Amino acid sequence: QITLKESSPSLVKPTQTLTLTCTFSGFSLSTSGVGVGWIRQPPGKALEWLALIFWTDDKRYSPSLKSRLTITKDTSKNQVVLTMTNMDPVDTATYYCAHNPPTITLIPYFHYWGQGTLVTVSS
Amino acid sequence: QSALTQPASVSGSPGQSITISCTGTSSDVGGYNSVSWYQQHPGKAPKLMIYEVSNRPSGVSNRFSGSKSGNTASLTISGLQAEDEADYYCSSYTSISPFVFGTGTKVTVL
Repeated sequence: QITLKESSPSLVKPTQTLTLTCTFSGFSLSTSGVGVGWIRQPPGKALEWLALIFWTDDKRYSPSLKSRLTITKDTSKNQVVLTMTNMDPVDTATYYCAHNPPTITLIPYFHYWGQGTLVTVSS
Repeated sequence: QSALTQPASVSGSPGQSITISCTGTSSDVGGYNSVSWYQQHPGKAPKLMIYEVSNRPSGVSNRFSGSKSGNTASLTISGLQAEDEADYYCSSYTSISPFVFGTGTKVTVL
């Protein structure tokens, strides 16, 4: 059974750096083809993909946020960490991590999702 | 990378079929067989309903089906049920990033 759970501070101040941790079970990020991604959703708005890390440590970022994002993995702890710098009130959102399964086509998609963590950016 | 375009809302009566469109470009939807669809109930995490245009994950009802023509993908829900009332999002692989999501569609069961 695959599960993922996000953790983060619920409140950050503008200009601070946000650190999000995804702790997962039921799969390994050392397995060929596997990836973990981050997606966010501002209140009442659409989903926005942020970043994705693969079993090879290959990392991909949203072009619009690339300069502010860093994704890393700790395979031994079954964790993926996303940091986002220079937080702004418009970054207030629920942040999800999700499992990207191995695919024959190598085209990623997100099968299992965490419950999400709401992060509010306010002074 | 612009979001894929979906209708803001679609509605139907129980038992009917509805179709949600997802329009992109030749650099995303039209260029790859990579469209996936997610269902999201209020306050809940998204759930994968369709991947790689038309594949259903295990456990997803066969009332949900996906297709693609040119730069537009579609999700069809047949035999609409009250539990299908939710927000639906498409996503696609693109030439410049692995993911772009759609604008989202609210499905209402009348």
